[in-house]
Amino acid sequence: GAVVSQHPSWVICKSGTSVKIECRSLDFQATTMFWYRQFPKQSLMLMATSNEGSKATYEQGVEKDKFLINHASLTLSTLTVTSAHPEDSSFYICSAREKGTYGGYTFGSGTRLTVV
Amino acid sequence: QKEVEQNSGPLSVPEGAIASLNCTYSDRGSQSFFWYRQYSGKSPELIMSIYSNGDKEDGRFTAQLNKASQYVSLLIRDSQPSDSATYLCAVRSSNTGKLIFGQGTTLQVKP
Repeated sequence: GAVVSQHPSWVICKSGTSVKIECRSLDFQATTMFWYRQFPKQSLMLMATSNEGSKATYEQGVEKDKFLINHASLTLSTLTVTSAHPEDSSFYICSAREKGTYGGYTFGSGTRLTVV
Repeated sequence: QKEVEQNSGPLSVPEGAIASLNCTYSDRGSQSFFWYRQYSGKSPELIMSIYSNGDKEDGRFTAQLNKASQYVSLLIRDSQPSDSATYLCAVRSSNTGKLIFGQGTTLQVKP
């Protein structure tokens, strides 16, 4: 089945620094990838939709200058949390759907970000 | 009204029983519905997808969809302690194509 690889699985960074998270579709091409954030005991909240070769579409309330998304190829999307602050500490998860299919979305394993 | 609603639970069932998880949605034009399982600290895992009215069975899992009532459910037969997790209902928006998640129902299967 479709596999989405996400790295790193966890990261601790100092306040004010930037962190990059990678999301790769390993055995399929993904025109669109999605980035979610999940706080403890809450559901997934969509942050942005990442489209290959074009600018990402951000959900209302998500700062595009803080959460930089790059989707340079059909198999790779990156999320960079810039100038991270403790309130950015969360579980970040990407997902993708195989190009041309109408099935379910496959999720990456997630990245636990802790900003100290 | 939330776009996708689930009872947060926890839903507690004894081992071997049937667990019934329910979900309602507001987008009448939605055509694609998904159930994900999420263990604590892990990312969601797709269990079932359903697109047509009626039942869809896969092993111990049965998804049920009623578009007229805007209702989708998941039945887990012969529940096992390893089924203990949060179950997320997701609906693909007919306008945007994005997945909208419910808040999730926590299931506890007691030995």
